[in-house]
Amino acid sequence: AQKITQTQPGMFVQEKEAVTLDCTYDTSDPSYGLFWYKQPSSGEMIFLIYQGSYDQQNATEGRYSLNFQKARKSANLVISASQLGDSAMYFCAMRVRTNAGKSTFGDGTTLTVKP
Amino acid sequence: DAGVTQSPTHLIKTRGQQVTLRCSPISGHKSVSWYQQVLGQGPQFIFQYYEKEERGRGNFPDRFSARQFPNYSSELNVNALLLGDSALYLCASSLVQNTEAFFGQGTRLTVV
Repeated sequence: AQKITQTQPGMFVQEKEAVTLDCTYDTSDPSYGLFWYKQPSSGEMIFLIYQGSYDQQNATEGRYSLNFQKARKSANLVISASQLGDSAMYFCAMRVRTNAGKSTFGDGTTLTVKP
Repeated sequence: DAGVTQSPTHLIKTRGQQVTLRCSPISGHKSVSWYQQVLGQGPQFIFQYYEKEERGRGNFPDRFSARQFPNYSSELNVNALLLGDSALYLCASSLVQNTEAFFGQGTRLTVV
């Protein structure tokens, strides 16, 4: 079974500063993908960034980067230059090769950006 | 291009009733997955359909069922509704099974 743990229920960051949202995972499948999603109050899950288990480099997408430490089974999301519009719920998720249609999610971190 | 669309956006039902939620995937996407998100928690996997066949099922009772149509749209049915079924129901589509999944805005179901 797969498990995602997000230990920060809520985080605050000052506008224009960087913030790191923590995610640890557990799986016995050697082939997997890690995802981060943003969920505003409207409810839609917005894909942010993806990291494959065999990727040698950390993924980056604009202001988002994923700090992937395979040995520690962590996949932290770093948001640089925070904006007020970044205030939302953030979910870490995993899919494994042997059950590729299913995403396992953590319980999320609520990020609040202060002006 | 249209994203994943779900209908209705909001729904109020009475305990014991039945409900049908609908999902239209992104054009060309053949895989549809359903998730239940209870307030304050992450989404929980309910079903995945690929090429009109059920390919995965989460830990949900038989009151939950789904199907996928030839145009790859999907319906989620829940019978004998319980108060605990109140949640945001999310649909996600992907091109094939193991690629990036895109989510709809969800259907917010309230059971009273």
